[in-house]
Amino acid sequence: DQQVKQNSPSLSVQEGRISILNCDYTNSMFDYFLWYKKYPAEGPTFLISISSIKDKNEDGRFTVFLNKSAKHLSLHIVPSQPGDSAVYFCAASAMYGGSQGNLIFGKGTKLSVKP
Amino acid sequence: GAVVSQHPSWVICKSGTSVKIECRSLDFQATTMFWYRQFPKQSLMLMATSNEGSKATYEQGVEKDKFLINHASLTLSTLTVTSAHPEDSSFYICSAQGGGGVYTQYFGPGTRLTVL
Repeated sequence: DQQVKQNSPSLSVQEGRISILNCDYTNSMFDYFLWYKKYPAEGPTFLISISSIKDKNEDGRFTVFLNKSAKHLSLHIVPSQPGDSAVYFCAASAMYGGSQGNLIFGKGTKLSVKP
Repeated sequence: GAVVSQHPSWVICKSGTSVKIECRSLDFQATTMFWYRQFPKQSLMLMATSNEGSKATYEQGVEKDKFLINHASLTLSTLTVTSAHPEDSSFYICSAQGGGGVYTQYFGPGTRLTVL
């Protein structure tokens, strides 16, 4: 049973436009969400996170939105740049559920930003 | 800040040998370190969680006698793949928690293991 779902395996966007990556989760105990960016044969790089007490967090070109009632979060990248092309992983954690902060990852969305 | 290193970055070994992978947090103390495995075109799979000075907690289906984890200090954890077989070939990634964001995990660059 997949607790964190990224239903779009790939996304193609034109440079300068907005990239929207989506993530759904099923476990209502999740209270901390993160987005990571990953290049092939490298470890994931932390991008941005959001706690369940917030519905939006912004850091430069990256904004994460959280809709708890829908159990949905999204990552917006604007403007998109060719260097943003990578696989983006959504991850969730239940910090107060005794899981020590274990991250549950989605399967990733491959973003391609075309010049 | 929040840099995690892994060594080696890649290793090729013969079947039956053991391989040790090191994970270090370079600029922060990691209260918890995690070991993941990634198969091609798949997501990261958590193998085990380790806290400094205590035994690692392994995920279901992960053989603790095969994948030995030692978390000797707040900046170093090691994963030893014992008696490696070709099916153990994979990309192993560690992460460390305890950096800038309390709950954020910072990942190492990964180690590509190929068992012949």
